[in-house]
Amino acid sequence: GEKVEQHESTLSVREGDSAVINCTYTDTASSYFPWYKQEAGKSLHFVIDIRSNVDRKQSQRLIVLLDKKAKRFSLHITATQPEDSAIYFCAASIGSSGNKLIFGIGTLLSVKP
Amino acid sequence: NAGVIQTPRHKVTGKGQEATLWCEPISGHSAVFWYRQTIVQGLEFLTYFRNQAPIDDSGMPKERFSAQMPNQSHSTLKIQSTQPQDSAVYLCASSLGRGSQNTLYFGAGTRLSVL
Repeated sequence: GEKVEQHESTLSVREGDSAVINCTYTDTASSYFPWYKQEAGKSLHFVIDIRSNVDRKQSQRLIVLLDKKAKRFSLHITATQPEDSAIYFCAASIGSSGNKLIFGIGTLLSVKP
Repeated sequence: NAGVIQTPRHKVTGKGQEATLWCEPISGHSAVFWYRQTIVQGLEFLTYFRNQAPIDDSGMPKERFSAQMPNQSHSTLKIQSTQPQDSAVYLCASSLGRGSQNTLYFGAGTRLSVL
């Protein structure tokens, strides 16, 4: 079946540095790529997304890049803060409807003061 | 807006017993999804409904798992004859489900422990 691979299982950065999380996907029909954040003891919440008609999107300190040819997308968190510490999940839409999402395994980001 | 509500938050069953998990989606959302989260497998898609109709249940273990959406305000996931490997956090999510409105809003989850 279709898969989303998340390449970093853990990532540790110093406060103020940038963090980058990389994902690849297999479904050539994927057109929607959201990222979710899960803080300790809480459920997932949406942070940013990108659609296949663009290759870059920025929202404040978050930047998402999409390389459709390589079937790769990444989340860049600039000027990291301790409150960015969480598990980050990438996801890709599967199939023509675009509603069903397949998730990566998650990356545990630790931002050390 | 209370968000997606899942009950119970925790459920403990003995091996072989039945477990029913409940989900109330956000009012006005037409798509409801069920996922299972474990440390080893991460987030696994189970099934989803759109306008109460089952659309894709390709992630559901066929024999013991079933899901229903009898009305627009709730969905249930039933696991018969629970096994220890069913222990996981079961997450329900809803979305507007219209056009490009794909953002999923997750509930807090039900932690199922099968002893």
